Amino acid sequence: GQNIDQPTEMTATEGAIVQINCTYQTSGFNGLFWYQQHAGEAPTFLSYNVLDGLEEKGRFSSFLSRSKGYSYLLLKELQMKDSASYLCAVIVTGANNLFFGTGTRLTVIP
Amino acid sequence: EAQVTQNPRYLITVTGKKLTVTCSQNMNHEYMSWYRQDPGLGLRQIYYSMNVEVTDKGDVPEGYKVSRKEKRNFPLILESPSPNQTSLYFCASSLGGQRYGYTFGSGTRLTVV
Repeated sequence: GQNIDQPTEMTATEGAIVQINCTYQTSGFNGLFWYQQHAGEAPTFLSYNVLDGLEEKGRFSSFLSRSKGYSYLLLKELQMKDSASYLCAVIVTGANNLFFGTGTRLTVIP
Repeated sequence: EAQVTQNPRYLITVTGKKLTVTCSQNMNHEYMSWYRQDPGLGLRQIYYSMNVEVTDKGDVPEGYKVSRKEKRNFPLILESPSPNQTSLYFCASSLGGQRYGYTFGSGTRLTVV
């Protein structure tokens, strides 16, 4: 089976930096995604990592270490609108479907 | 506008009454998938399709059926809904599954009483 772990909830202050971690144990690996999901809405694509290292996109960065089965999403200069759930998802080798973690609910406070 | 369209957005039905949730995408994507989302369990895949007439079970297929007669459409069928199928459902499509991830529809909140 596939196992993807993320913290359930996090709280951070507006303007600060927050790091959301994701660890995975899967039967093969073919890439890791981060999605943002506001309550009751569809997930939206944030980032994709398939090689080790850091991918930066504006205020959002995502890091991957395949040897450790570990990724994190870094959000800088937090804004109130960043309050949402952040979903880590892995594509397993040979499959075309995403396996999701249960998501991390981030609350940004003034 | 490139999008995945699901209907209906909200549905309340009774146990045993067959229903269909439609999903259509206008991006010529080959891959399509259905997920359900429940509190504490995250998104779990129900069925997926790699192309027309090619479908396969995901993690939680029991009680569901799908079909893929055309590339753009991927309906989800509940032949005899039960209360444990009360959930938030998402349809998603993808160009290549990997690098591009999935584009999700707006969701269907289903309640079975």
